[in-house]
Amino acid sequence: DVKVTQSSRYLVKRTGEKVFLECVQDMDHENMFWYRQDPGLGLRLIYFSYDVKMKEKGDIPEGYSVSREKKERFSLILESASTNQTSMYLCASRLDSYNEQFFGPGTRLTVL
Amino acid sequence: AQSVAQPEDQVNVAEGNPLTVKCTYSVSGNPYLFWYVQYPNRGLQFLLKYITGDNLVKGSYGFEAEFNKSQTSFHLKKPSALVSDSALYFCAVRDRGSTLGRLYFGRGTQLTVWP
Repeated sequence: DVKVTQSSRYLVKRTGEKVFLECVQDMDHENMFWYRQDPGLGLRLIYFSYDVKMKEKGDIPEGYSVSREKKERFSLILESASTNQTSMYLCASRLDSYNEQFFGPGTRLTVL
Repeated sequence: AQSVAQPEDQVNVAEGNPLTVKCTYSVSGNPYLFWYVQYPNRGLQFLLKYITGDNLVKGSYGFEAEFNKSQTSFHLKKPSALVSDSALYFCAVRDRGSTLGRLYFGRGTQLTVWP
């Protein structure tokens, strides 16, 4: 079975802090994604990566950056956390663009 | 522009009755369509997908969905609902002609099955 793991289930940070969210997949998938999920807004794509060191902006990249130095790991970075970045963050991966995405359990981030 | 609409925020159904969760989509070309389910405090789980071929697609947990090109719809159905089906359901679409193939998700439909 595909396993996508995220470094934390719950995280509390203060405004202005630099925040790192880590995602690891164990199935040699090419593509990886970061979404945020907010009530009533569904899933919004922040960034995705279709290969190592490659990245594409999604719909809401402002205030975020990403890093993919190894195939199995995709990191989301909040350069200076703000309260409006309080949300559920979901990581996903897929073999390639013709296959379904597999999601991690999510990280619920609270910025105080 | 690509988009997905899930016109109902909530669907309530009694256990044992059939259920339908609606989804309509908009893509510039031909679609790939997906349904995902999210249980409380969990990530999304893949249910089923339409890529090509038979318009009726069968998936996990007894769910099925019918692709209707003329109505640009991909409604999720189950003949007999279970209380354990209560969850948040997301429809997603990608344009078959898109090289990167990112998905566009609907806002989700909360399904509640009453015992």
